[in-house]
Amino acid sequence: ETGVTQTPRHLVMGMTNKKSLKCEQHLGHNAMYWYKQSAKKPLELMFVYSLEERVENNSVPSRFSPECPNSSHLFLHLHTLQPEDSALYLCASSPEATSSYNEQFFGPGTRLTVL
Amino acid sequence: GEDVEQSLFLSVREGDSSVINCTYTDSSSTYLYWYKQEPGAGLQLLTYIFSNMDMKQDQRLTVLLNKKDKHLSLRIADTQTGDSAIYFCADRNQAGTALIFGKGTTLSVSS
Repeated sequence: ETGVTQTPRHLVMGMTNKKSLKCEQHLGHNAMYWYKQSAKKPLELMFVYSLEERVENNSVPSRFSPECPNSSHLFLHLHTLQPEDSALYLCASSPEATSSYNEQFFGPGTRLTVL
Repeated sequence: GEDVEQSLFLSVREGDSSVINCTYTDSSSTYLYWYKQEPGAGLQLLTYIFSNMDMKQDQRLTVLLNKKDKHLSLRIADTQTGDSAIYFCADRNQAGTALIFGKGTTLSVSS
């Protein structure tokens, strides 16, 4: 257990559905991250939040909408997704976003399939 | 731009040593990291090295850093079947706000 939980673990959705991924960290960290992991591609950083403020948004399509209501919770709202969005979505947290030593703690991921 | 490159696959026999290599582009990082991902799980930090070190040893793991060539390697001695996983090299992004990862090296250990 890394102290970072993600729900659901698996999600199948149609292209017209709206769903949300949830991440919760029990480590008292100030920074949280969303990554996308697709087969044979590097892990793609999607969003970075530091103290509930978004500090990085890596040219992610607007059909992905993050929300960070407090430093322990992070959501990724999904709508009108495409089949190529099928991937493993990983959440991570770290004590601070900008410290020189940035050990990130990952959740187990949500396996998303878009039909 | 920022980039981290790794070979995709490595296959070894149980008891042999495994060496996983990585090259990176951003030389300003203070730390470089190795993460491990087991099937069905997220990434977990395996080890890291401070950028002013050439080598770090941690039980069966040895990390070598060549800053001149921007080359990082992870050696696993006496590789076991439980070491089968995907190994990621990671570096800080230029904004200093997150890590960037390579594609991962899938290590397969046969008995």
